[in-house]
Amino acid sequence: GENVEQHPSTLSVQEGDSAVIKCTYSDSASNYFPWYKQELGKRPQLIIDIRSNVGEKKDQRIAVTLNKTAKHFSLHITETQPEDSAVYFCAATDNFNKFYFGSGTKLNVKP
Amino acid sequence: GAVVSQHPSWVICKSGTSVKIECRSLDFQATTMFWYRQFPKQSLMLMATSNEGSKATYEQGVEKDKFLINHASLTLSTLTVTSAHPEDSSFYICSARDGAAGTYEQYFGPGTRLTVT
Repeated sequence: GENVEQHPSTLSVQEGDSAVIKCTYSDSASNYFPWYKQELGKRPQLIIDIRSNVGEKKDQRIAVTLNKTAKHFSLHITETQPEDSAVYFCAATDNFNKFYFGSGTKLNVKP
Repeated sequence: GAVVSQHPSWVICKSGTSVKIECRSLDFQATTMFWYRQFPKQSLMLMATSNEGSKATYEQGVEKDKFLINHASLTLSTLTVTSAHPEDSSFYICSARDGAAGTYEQYFGPGTRLTVT
């Protein structure tokens, strides 16, 4: 099955700096890669996603890049703000059902 | 947007009793719902996939007789933790996929915090 690895496990940045979280996957059949933000005790919220036919996608301060050859994808957050502090999860899937989640990255944005 | 609710949001029960958690899609029909378990500071672990009108598909290592899943309608799936023990204490989150939309996206419920004493 698919194996998704996520790094780093914790990330601390100064407000205004950029943050990058990286994930690798093992199954070349995976074709959908969502990113979720989860605040403490709350539900994961989809913040951006990318399909395998696209190399990059951007939504305001958030962008995701995908390298299918190397089987890795990354989340980029620019101009970070304290409200960006949360745990971020990447995931991968090759069908509509089974999402394989990364282990999570706790992002701390210091004011 | 698509909304998924869960009930209860938290529950405390005694060891040996059973607890039922409901997951509802409020504004769409969910042909498929998913149940996850999340331990503190850990990732989401898929427990099972439930399809409306058929038996749930459990992930390896998840006890079918302990975690009973019923997807009785296109808007409701339930997870029953039978004969609960303290080690079952966890955060249980459901998600649902809008089959009509034809997308991969899963919409998550707010989660249920289960504490078994």
